[in-house]
Amino acid sequence: QSALTQPASVSGSPGQSITISCTGTSTDVGGYNYVSWYQQHPGKIPKLIISDVSNRPSGVSNRFSGSKSGNTASLTISGLQAEDEADYYCSSYTSTTAYVFGTGTKVTVL
Amino acid sequence: QVQLVQSGAEVKRPGASVKLSCKASGYTFTTYNIHWVRQAPGQRLEWMGWISAGYGNTKYSQKFQDRFALTKDTSATTVYMELSSLTSEDTAVYYCARGGIPAMFDYWGQGALVAVSS
Repeated sequence: QSALTQPASVSGSPGQSITISCTGTSTDVGGYNYVSWYQQHPGKIPKLIISDVSNRPSGVSNRFSGSKSGNTASLTISGLQAEDEADYYCSSYTSTTAYVFGTGTKVTVL
Repeated sequence: QVQLVQSGAEVKRPGASVKLSCKASGYTFTTYNIHWVRQAPGQRLEWMGWISAGYGNTKYSQKFQDRFALTKDTSATTVYMELSSLTSEDTAVYYCARGGIPAMFDYWGQGALVAVSS
């Protein structure tokens, strides 16, 4: 099972919105509404920020939102803040190997 | 509060095996699966497998199928991961994570570094 494809890096200025894509296939992202997103600051553990494509767990800022179209899921961060600078990973349930993560995206706040 | 506490860092020689533990607390242990995810230095997260804490059935990534095993001790609310035939490519931080319902990793252990070096 190959990793889901994410852009290596995305950047934006404070207050702007950015979107990170996560592209898979019909056997993972396109086949199930089981895409989740994780934020990982350097040296820290991953944190769940979006589950089931677009659900935000309790305590997660409403500046984070998720969506999906076909085989591509997206994470949007609105009102970008310095604390959002981190690595972001998508994950999906798959019909082949159960779960797969994305390649990861480094978000830089300019 | 939900907590997953992992055992400590390990240094192993190539060809050896490593066994890590993940002790769960703060919820009904048998209700959720426990997953293992690893992250090599500077690399992405990689899913390895899960075990049902209730029934004990497992699902492993094909990449690790032949040398990876998950077990559990329900009375100790602990899951164990064993990886054998280690090579330098297995050097990574290994995380356990609770399998949220229906399909996410909602709580993570603190991670355990496994370094494989001769």
